Amino acid sequence: AQKITQTQPGMFVQEKEAVTLDCTYDTSDPSYGLFWYKQPSSGEMIFLIYQGSYDQQNATEGRYSLNFQKARKSANLVISASQLGDSAMYFCAMEVNNFNKFYFGSGTKLNVKP
Amino acid sequence: EAQVTQNPRYLITVTGKKLTVTCSQNMNHEYMSWYRQDPGLGLRQIYYSMNVEVTDKGDVPEGYKVSRKEKRNFPLILESPSPNQTSLYFCASWEASGNLLFTDTQYFGPGTRLTVL
Repeated sequence: AQKITQTQPGMFVQEKEAVTLDCTYDTSDPSYGLFWYKQPSSGEMIFLIYQGSYDQQNATEGRYSLNFQKARKSANLVISASQLGDSAMYFCAMEVNNFNKFYFGSGTKLNVKP
Repeated sequence: EAQVTQNPRYLITVTGKKLTVTCSQNMNHEYMSWYRQDPGLGLRQIYYSMNVEVTDKGDVPEGYKVSRKEKRNFPLILESPSPNQTSLYFCASWEASGNLLFTDTQYFGPGTRLTVL
């Protein structure tokens, strides 16, 4: 069965500090993609970063990096130098089955404190 | 501007009254999907479509219908809504690369908040 698990319902981080949001996944498919999305209080879904299962290097996009540990089946999101605007819900997602099916975690609500 | 639009954005209805939520994309994407978002459950895929007249079930298809008669449109139909379908619904579209080296970034609509009384 395909599954994404985010075990941190809520987190606090001090502005300008780094924070790691955890994500573990389960799939028997050797080919998959892993995504992180941000959902601010306004509700829209914003794509942040992507990692393919065959990628050798961890993905990075500006202040976002994805710590991909294939053997552990984890794909944690690291946000460096947190900003107040980073306060939002964050979802980890996995794409399998010939790129048609997507599975999302339950989300982590991040609050950045000034 | 590349976008996915959904209408209506907010809808309150009563049990059993058929409704349709429209979704339209202007990026000529082949793939489209509907999700529902519930607290503590994240987003769950309802149906997806690989092209015109080609659709398949996601994880939670019960109580929903879809159709894809045109590439740009992918309406979600609730023929007899029930209170357990009260949720936030998202439509998404993407162009699947068929290659894991390239991200199949989904473009999401703004969401439709549905309440079934």
